[in-house]
Amino acid sequence: VQLQESGPGLVQPSGTLSLTCAVSGGSISTSNWWSWVRQPPGKGLEWIGEIYHSGTTNYNPSLKSRITISVHKSKNQFSLKLSSVTAADTAIYYCARVFYPGGAFDIWGQGTMVIVSS
Amino acid sequence: DIQMTQSPSSLSASVGDRVTITCRASQSINIYLNWYQQKAGKAPNLLIFAASSLLSGVPSRFSGSGSGTDFTLTISSLQPEDFATYYCQQSYSYPSTFGQGTKLEI
Repeated sequence: VQLQESGPGLVQPSGTLSLTCAVSGGSISTSNWWSWVRQPPGKGLEWIGEIYHSGTTNYNPSLKSRITISVHKSKNQFSLKLSSVTAADTAIYYCARVFYPGGAFDIWGQGTMVIVSS
Repeated sequence: DIQMTQSPSSLSASVGDRVTITCRASQSINIYLNWYQQKAGKAPNLLIFAASSLLSGVPSRFSGSGSGTDFTLTISSLQPEDFATYYCQQSYSYPSTFGQGTKLEI
């Protein structure tokens, strides 16, 4: 299984960040959750949220009011929308597969840099 | 949220050294602790899950231990390719949280 993020690299302040993660080499409709994790430049990792192929989601409360994670089974993809972005949302955004039992992230995309700037 | 604290934040070592990195959780997380290696410009790679289970394909010089609140990652004999930043992550409760990272330098 491989993951690949895609989306705009530049987003205007107060706009909406939209990213897609394409899953290849396997079906998104397996017994896995699919996550988004971000990393501001030079800083640590922050879990954003996750989705199951049924559409069930879990979000980080710190971002919950601004996040929507969706699954697109026909395209074998899942997506992230983050609204009302500020410079603090500038980061590398990774999609990852959640490995159970345990809840570790065993497969990661290469990451995509998103800059919030006018 | 459960806070994860790694120590040290940075560490200088030499090839062949034995190195230990510590991760402490702000409350008990049983064995729901995972370790990642991240090299510059790359995504993190899972090394160890469930505190002590080595992911298939990861060299046996890596090992993990601990339960409850205190955990360690040990590299028994450092190789040149091991110089990277290491993160712990708790998957015991939402939201999942990471330690701040330990940069392992030559």
